[in-house]
Amino acid sequence: DVVMTQSPLSLTVTLGQPASISCRSSQSLVYSDGNTYLNWFQQRPGQSPRRLIYKVSNWNSGVPDRFSGSGSGTDFTLKISRVEAEDAGVYYCMQGTHWPPTFGQGTRLEIK
Amino acid sequence: EVQLVESGGGLVKPGGSLRLSCAASGFTFTNAWMSWVRQAPGKGLEWVGRIKGKTDGGTTDYVAPVNGRFTISRDDSINTVYLQMNSLKTEDTAVYYCTADSRYWGQGTLVTVSS
Repeated sequence: DVVMTQSPLSLTVTLGQPASISCRSSQSLVYSDGNTYLNWFQQRPGQSPRRLIYKVSNWNSGVPDRFSGSGSGTDFTLKISRVEAEDAGVYYCMQGTHWPPTFGQGTRLEIK
Repeated sequence: EVQLVESGGGLVKPGGSLRLSCAASGFTFTNAWMSWVRQAPGKGLEWVGRIKGKTDGGTTDYVAPVNGRFTISRDDSINTVYLQMNSLKTEDTAVYYCTADSRYWGQGTLVTVSS
């Protein structure tokens, strides 16, 4: 299985400051159709996962544009330009290129 | 409005069986790839399995820890996907989510396997 490694695993950011989460895969996530199936999810306490970003850098409907995704091959990044209180939770990267889909360990974001 | 509503969770003894259901609405269900993802208490997310949409053959795939014990099926006439879980183990204890194309997610249903 493809191993997804996130860093850091925990992050405390001051309100209004930027945040960045890194995700590295053990294999290239470029699929045979040319797409890279790397998603980012947010899971707030007590809630279901919510997809923020798909195929590296595409926003899901309703996702604020302070969230952005970038990267290629095996290295990817989720950035929040200015964190808000509602951004607290755990963030997961997930690859859908290789079966089975696999998630990173999660990064806990706390806001101060 | 898209909705995925899981049901069927509960307490079951090791070796027992349980069937989860996920009722979908608000999107074209027939062609959606429906998956089950689980989350053990305090842990991360783990894919369980998927069933492809009708146009892609409706075939299923499972992760190794559940292969041969879990079965995913779908009834497109009522927009529902199922997860039949047999020979349950304590390590299957988790909240089980259904998801459509990883885009839409249900609220989850808790399965506890304990004697």
